[in-house]
Amino acid sequence: DGGITQSPKYLFRKEGQNVTLSCEQNLNHDAMYWYRQDPGQGLRLIYYSQIVNDFQKGDIAEGYSVSREKKESFPLTVTSAQKNPTAFYLCASSIVGTSGETQYFGPGTRLLVL
Amino acid sequence: DQQVKQNSPSLSVQEGRISILNCDYTNSMFDYFLWYKKYPAEGPTFLISISSIKDKNEDGRFTVFLNKSAKHLSLHIVPSQPGDSAVYFCAVLGDMRFGAGTRLTVKP
Repeated sequence: DGGITQSPKYLFRKEGQNVTLSCEQNLNHDAMYWYRQDPGQGLRLIYYSQIVNDFQKGDIAEGYSVSREKKESFPLTVTSAQKNPTAFYLCASSIVGTSGETQYFGPGTRLLVL
Repeated sequence: DQQVKQNSPSLSVQEGRISILNCDYTNSMFDYFLWYKKYPAEGPTFLISISSIKDKNEDGRFTVFLNKSAKHLSLHIVPSQPGDSAVYFCAVLGDMRFGAGTRLTVKP
């Protein structure tokens, strides 16, 4: 059955280390998104991609990088430049990425800094 | 710059009563709104939406009202059930903006 998967569920990062969060969808959606959730701040958009090999920065892209080599996959790398990476990261997808579309979310990855 | 605001971080209601969750927005060009429900450590799930051409949309126990002149929308849950306890986000799609969320607790 179709859906979005994120792995791992929990991820630990050491200071100065880059880590990559996985997001895979088999919904045949063109658009994919990465959000970050912090307590009391709702969801903030990090990056989004409306088509393979193209992506756009969201509101808080600094310290993050993404790639979109395949339609099904949109991995997010949290680099050492991200000074406050501890958060709950959510990946989402939608059919084509236009206004009014419902986004479907993955279960999330919680990133903790050691 | 918060263009979508949920000013109540939490709400507690008794089972069977009405829950009203509020959301305000600043941009009159926003034209499609959604409510998401989120349980702890899970991704949000879509609940109900409303287009700016309507002022009400109903789906079972859930109704969303839109007041365009006031730039305000609200989610009504009637009757509230303990399983409704979750964090509710309002969102503007296309602009990919979410409110901060309201934690609803429904007490048995």
